[in-house]
Amino acid sequence: KAGVTQTPRYLIKTRGQQVTLSCSPISGHRSVSWYQQTPGQGLQFLFEYFSETQRNKGNFPGRFSGRQFSNSRSEMNVSTLELGDSALYLCASSSRTSGAQETQYFGPGTRLLVL
Amino acid sequence: AQKITQTQPGMFVQEKEAVTLDCTYDTSDPSYGLFWYKQPSSGEMIFLIYQGSYDQQNATEGRYSLNFQKARKSANLVISASQLGDSAMYFCAMREIQGAQKLVFGQGTRLTINP
Repeated sequence: KAGVTQTPRYLIKTRGQQVTLSCSPISGHRSVSWYQQTPGQGLQFLFEYFSETQRNKGNFPGRFSGRQFSNSRSEMNVSTLELGDSALYLCASSSRTSGAQETQYFGPGTRLLVL
Repeated sequence: AQKITQTQPGMFVQEKEAVTLDCTYDTSDPSYGLFWYKQPSSGEMIFLIYQGSYDQQNATEGRYSLNFQKARKSANLVISASQLGDSAMYFCAMREIQGAQKLVFGQGTRLTINP
């Protein structure tokens, strides 16, 4: 079974621009979660989508948004980029059927550099 | 609020030795799951092992085992017979049953295996 895929793998943008990242979950998984990883803040939860609906959201400004399509693929968008948005963005998928024991499987991440 | 603490920023171990990576957690939810992930320099988070709060036995997966001490709120990862390929960042994470798919991560431990 193919794993979680993320595109693009690397991205360079300038301040003020916007960016869209894409994530394709493992086949059959309907939940997609996004995380931001920075050296200073570590790994932080951004949001989760399940059945095209945002189910949970982390403590990030409204510039960070996302959506999920009927095939469970998800995109996240960051508008008006700031230098501090430079990070590794990780997507994770799960089947969301087993509660707390549900394992999330991660993709390779997208490295975003904002200049 | 849930919290994960990993007190070892870095560890150096000789090849073939066993290593224990520490993780303590804090939660008020009686139902939760604990996870360990490995992150090589490529960035992808690789799932290693899971322990549920109601599990009576410590989890094991090949060379990985989890030393779960519920009263002490600790969930240490033990890697037996370490290999050069084990060199990576290791993250402990927790999800409460109330927290949907949100994982809370510790700051990580960088493990280096010396030949």
